[in-house]
Amino acid sequence: EAGVTQSPTHLIKTRGQQATLRCSPISGHTSVYWYQQALGLGLQFLLWYDEGEERNRGNFPPRFSGRQFPNYSSELNVNALELEDSALYLCASSLLVGEGGETQYFGPGTRLLVL
Amino acid sequence: KQEVTQIPAALSVPEGENLVLNCSFTDSAIYNLQWFRQDPGKGLTSLLLIQSSQREQTSGRLNASLDKSSGRSTLYIAASQPGDSATYLCAAYGGSQGNLIFGKGTKLSVKP
Repeated sequence: EAGVTQSPTHLIKTRGQQATLRCSPISGHTSVYWYQQALGLGLQFLLWYDEGEERNRGNFPPRFSGRQFPNYSSELNVNALELEDSALYLCASSLLVGEGGETQYFGPGTRLLVL
Repeated sequence: KQEVTQIPAALSVPEGENLVLNCSFTDSAIYNLQWFRQDPGKGLTSLLLIQSSQREQTSGRLNASLDKSSGRSTLYIAASQPGDSATYLCAAYGGSQGNLIFGKGTKLSVKP
């Protein structure tokens, strides 16, 4: 069974540009989570999508947004990039919360570098 | 607000030594607690998940314990090997909010 996949593996942008990161969950998983791992700050929760809806959002500005498609894959968009957005972005997927959704499976991540 | 702390931030041990990594959390109302391994620049590999009703879980040389009343979890690694060198993260899951709350990790180095 294929795990969580993310693309691209690396992304280089300049300040002010937009970045789009993609995530495909494990087959059968309906929930997708995005986390940011910036140097020195640890892993921080960004967004949770389930059944196409945003369920919860971490303490990040609105220029961090995303969506979940009917096939449960997800996109994370970061607008007006700032230098401090440079980080490893991890996607995780799970079954629906309350139906085994307490276990999240992580992808390999997308490393975003903002110059 | 849940906060997760891991001590120590870094640990260096000789090969073969048994070691303990510590994780503490401020809100005992957790659904489960999970331990992950992260190799440099890579994603997370789940090691052990302990449900709130459980006291410990074991997998091979790894044993994780959970004491909700004291807000603590430990990861015990027996007979450490150089291949165990990585950053170990613990994360608390509260359930309804969906997200995991992570500690900042313990960077383990096992020297041959």
